[in-house]
Order: sequence, then structure tokens, then C-alpha cells
Amino acid sequence: DTGVSQDPRHKITKRGQNVTFRCDPISEHNRLYWYRQTLGQGPEFLTYFQNEAQLEKSRLLSDRFSAERPKGSFSTLEIQRTEQGDSAMYLCASSFRGTHSGNTIYFGEGSWLTVV
Amino acid sequence: GENVEQHPSTLSVQEGDSAVIKCTYSDSASNYFPWYKQELGKGPQLIIDIRSNVGEKKDQRIAVTLNKTAKHFSLHITETQPEDSAVYFCAASKGTYKYIFGTGTRLKVLA
Repeated sequence: DTGVSQDPRHKITKRGQNVTFRCDPISEHNRLYWYRQTLGQGPEFLTYFQNEAQLEKSRLLSDRFSAERPKGSFSTLEIQRTEQGDSAMYLCASSFRGTHSGNTIYFGEGSWLTVV
Repeated sequence: GENVEQHPSTLSVQEGDSAVIKCTYSDSASNYFPWYKQELGKGPQLIIDIRSNVGEKKDQRIAVTLNKTAKHFSLHITETQPEDSAVYFCAASKGTYKYIFGTGTRLKVLA
């Protein structure tokens, strides 16, 4: 499977615990994105990497959230001291920034987080 | 900030009929408009997209139209089939990584 891979697919955690999600983008895609989706809503942009550099963070990304892409390949999204409002699906996506400025992004299957 | 409105929120059609979903965007600088299909418990899957230099694009039973003057774009699905049942999202982008999504349309195709 050469699509965007996310792990775990589902996570139930107690309020106050830390959680980490992993994303493996499509091979050779140099751009990686994290979005968040709550029930009945469209995805909302969280952050974006080009290679290993995190180039933008949304205001939705509070200081309890941190994302990394240490070698420009896979990425992790960590949420510290989880709150019930963090319950959502966290979507990873990737794209290739080439000479033709293509900006089509491809999403993974998402990681569902439930904070109880 | 930029906003994308999507209508209707739910749509039921008989199998074989056509379905139309409409979106309006607020930022006139938007120049890329993808449509995604999302099935229950899965991530959004790109089904068609259109760039601002094109007024219409078609791919088999799916077509998208764009009216830049009115800042409207629409998804048309013809000869609907039960497997078309899903939630459809439109999005707008200014040629960058940040997509602004609509709130989705739940399409039900009745057999």
C-alpha cells in the first residue's frame, strides 16, 4: 500500500494523559500536513511541514500540541494533558511540491481520539 | 478569514438520478478547488478537482463547474449508484497547502 499511513487508527485515553500519533506519508512526498476533523465538520488545518521544517501552525494548535518530522519522512503529533475537547479524528496528508506547483493533498485514514 | 459554505447538508436521490452539491467561497484569491468523498470511519478521498483557469472538468460520471465571478463551484454526479453514498466535502485553496473545507454533504442514494 503506497498511501498515507496513520497509526494508531483508534485511541481511547483518560483526560490528562498524553497521546502520540504517527504518520507515514506517500513515498517521496516532501510536504506533510496535519488536519483535525470533528463529527459533522470538515477537516481543519493544524500544521504543515516541508521536508523536516515546520512552516506553519494554526491557532487551533495549542501549546499542548507538538508535531515533528525529524528526518523529513514520517511525522508524529503529540497531545499532552489531553482534554475532552481534543476528541476528534486527526488526519495526516501529504503532497509533492514540484516544479509545477502541484498542491493536491492526499489524506490518510485518520486516527480517532476519544478522551474520557 | 476565508470561508466556504456548502449546500445542502443532506441529499437523498433515487438510484440513477443526478446529484448536485454547491459551494461558495469568500476569498477571491482562491484558485484551486478539490472535492473529497469520505466514507464512514475513513479519511477523505480526492475524487475530482478544478483550477481557476478552467470552467468545467469532467471525469466519467463526475463533473465540477466553477463560476469565478460568483465565487461558486458545484459537484455533479450523474447516474448515481448506491456506492456513491458518502459524505462529500468541497474545499478552496489559494494554491497553497491550507485548504478551507465546507461542512460536508451527506449523500444517500436510494436503491
